[in-house]
Amino acid sequence: QQQVKQSPQSLIVQKGGISIINCAYENTAFDYFPWYQQFPGKGPALLIAIRPDVSEKKEGRFTISFNKSAKQFSLHIMDSQPGDSATYFCAARGDKIIFGKGTRLHILP
Amino acid sequence: DAGVIQSPRHEVTEMGQEVTLRCKPISGHNSLFWYRQTMMRGLELLIYFNNNVPIDDSGMPEDRFSAKMPNASFSTLKIQPSEPRDSAVYFCASSFGTSGVNEQFFGPGTRLTVL
Repeated sequence: QQQVKQSPQSLIVQKGGISIINCAYENTAFDYFPWYQQFPGKGPALLIAIRPDVSEKKEGRFTISFNKSAKQFSLHIMDSQPGDSATYFCAARGDKIIFGKGTRLHILP
Repeated sequence: DAGVIQSPRHEVTEMGQEVTLRCKPISGHNSLFWYRQTMMRGLELLIYFNNNVPIDDSGMPEDRFSAKMPNASFSTLKIQPSEPRDSAVYFCASSFGTSGVNEQFFGPGTRLTVL
């Protein structure tokens, strides 16, 4: 119940395309869903986050879509750029933050 | 602020040796977390402290691992004795607030290689 399942493990997208990463959870007590971005050799950093009373949140080219009934949420990166190449972690907050296993995204130039 | 500081950045040691990883959290933050990252298991929470007190150590893999936070500005993660399967990147993160529910700021990590 404390798991956050993330897919795919890796993703290759052409420059200008849309990158989509999906996550699913079981615990309905989770109340906050952040996404973290990690570049090689660096620690993860908060990218964007959403609360379950909102179905979508957009910040620039990054959008979180949230489906409370399905207990799923996803990150969409529009007009993907080579600089977006990184590992992305979804997470869910209950009494502590639980991270998904990560998606390695590579944007082809 | 300099952010979360970790040392060393890289550590290579031989099996059986003691390894100590160090972390200085962001000033004013009162929660501190130790994570381990590997390709196979992703990002795993090992332990977290709130106000220098260990709150949840359920992720600590075994008794060879121990963590301390003697004051608000310093924490250590010790592995004794180290084994090759401990090879990973270890991250320290800090946040403000209780129960680790606020944004966590990660350090640059320590890459540990146990031969």
